[in-house]
Amino acid sequence: NAGVTQTPKFQVLKTGQSMTLQCAQDMNHNSMYWYRQDPGMGLRLIYYSASEGTTDKGEVPNGYNVSRLNKREFSLRLESAAPSQTSVYFCASSDWRTAPHGLFFGSGTQLSVL
Amino acid sequence: AQSVTQLDSQVPVFEEAPVELRCNYSSSVSVYLFWYVQYPNQGLQLLLKYLSGSTLVKGINGFEAEFNKSQTSFHLRKPSVHISDTAEYFCAVSDLTSNDYKLSFGAGTTVTVRA
Repeated sequence: NAGVTQTPKFQVLKTGQSMTLQCAQDMNHNSMYWYRQDPGMGLRLIYYSASEGTTDKGEVPNGYNVSRLNKREFSLRLESAAPSQTSVYFCASSDWRTAPHGLFFGSGTQLSVL
Repeated sequence: AQSVTQLDSQVPVFEEAPVELRCNYSSSVSVYLFWYVQYPNQGLQLLLKYLSGSTLVKGINGFEAEFNKSQTSFHLRKPSVHISDTAEYFCAVSDLTSNDYKLSFGAGTTVTVRA
């Protein structure tokens, strides 16, 4: 079972470069999320998509955009990377309408912006 | 809006000793509560959850947590830890009344188990 798959696993960018983090889930979940994890700050929500066709800002959306491409895929784009965006990024999915199981997480993308 | 405070950032513990990780939350509405574990260089996985019913919740790997509504706490316990329990643990809360089911996470507690 693949679950939630994120690519790439590691990425180094220069300030000002752009990139897209990809996320796909094969559990037929309706909701998908992007979090960033920084030391001592836990996980903070960047954007989420409660259902296909909708996206909403989370706690720290500045500098990011998202696309819910279809039910399976939810991408996160950095248009002009900044050193403050150095972090570990996690994609997650859930389906709260059937049962509140919490979130299922991918293995993360470690991003460094120089 | 809800928030979570994990009262200990680091907890060193000897193997086979008990451990308790403290979590307090604040919310103006009813909530779901979760504990997640993150092993080194991995994603997060669900340890246990409180949705309703019994306030004592049992999870995987011998962990349990107790929901205390009056104290707005959800502390995690294990009676005897193993080296393999070395990990970071996150408490999280979700607003029952919202339609988007976002989770708010605490800052995490790093548990280091020593022989």
